[in-house]
Amino acid sequence: KAGVTQTPRYLIKTRGQQVTLSCSPISGHRSVSWYQQTPGQGLQFLFEYFSETQRNKGNFPGRFSGRQFSNSRSEMNVSTLELGDSALYLCASSTTAGGRSPLHFGNGTRLTVT
Amino acid sequence: AQSVTQLGSHVSVSEGALVLLRCNYSSSVPPYLFWYVQYPNQGLQLLLKYTTGATLVKGINGFEAEFKKSETSFHLTKPSAHMSDAAEYFCAVSGSNAGGTSYGKLTFGQGTILTVHP
Repeated sequence: KAGVTQTPRYLIKTRGQQVTLSCSPISGHRSVSWYQQTPGQGLQFLFEYFSETQRNKGNFPGRFSGRQFSNSRSEMNVSTLELGDSALYLCASSTTAGGRSPLHFGNGTRLTVT
Repeated sequence: AQSVTQLGSHVSVSEGALVLLRCNYSSSVPPYLFWYVQYPNQGLQLLLKYTTGATLVKGINGFEAEFKKSETSFHLTKPSAHMSDAAEYFCAVSGSNAGGTSYGKLTFGQGTILTVHP
């Protein structure tokens, strides 16, 4: 079974631009979560989607948004990029919403904002 | 609110030695606990999980962890380190909402980088 696929793997953007990251979960997984990983802040929760509905959102500004499609694929968008948005963005899928099911992570998208 | 503290940002052991990575958590509800490993330029891979039941949990690659409620700990151990174990390890606890229901947010510790010397 294929794992979680994130595209693109690397991205370089300029301040003020916007970016869209894509995530394809493991087949059959209906829950998708997004995390931001930086050296200073570590791993921080962005949001969780289940059956196209956002269930929970982390403490990030409104510039960060996401959505989930009927096939469970998910996208994350960051508008008006800032230098501090440079990070590894990780997508994870699980069979059910809720913390009991373990998360399966993709290899991430490395975003660099210049 | 949940929190996770990993004691020691760097741990160094010799090949064949015991690996002990410490994790303490706080949670307002019975926790679900996880250990993940991250190799350079990769995502996180699940090592093991505790949800309910037996408090000694065995995972992949010879790792195990013991849930101790009285100590709010979930330390990760491996009897004999291998060079391939060198990586960063994260302890995580599942979140809960105001009503106490678990949901899919994980709160991670800051990570422990394990170095294995020949």
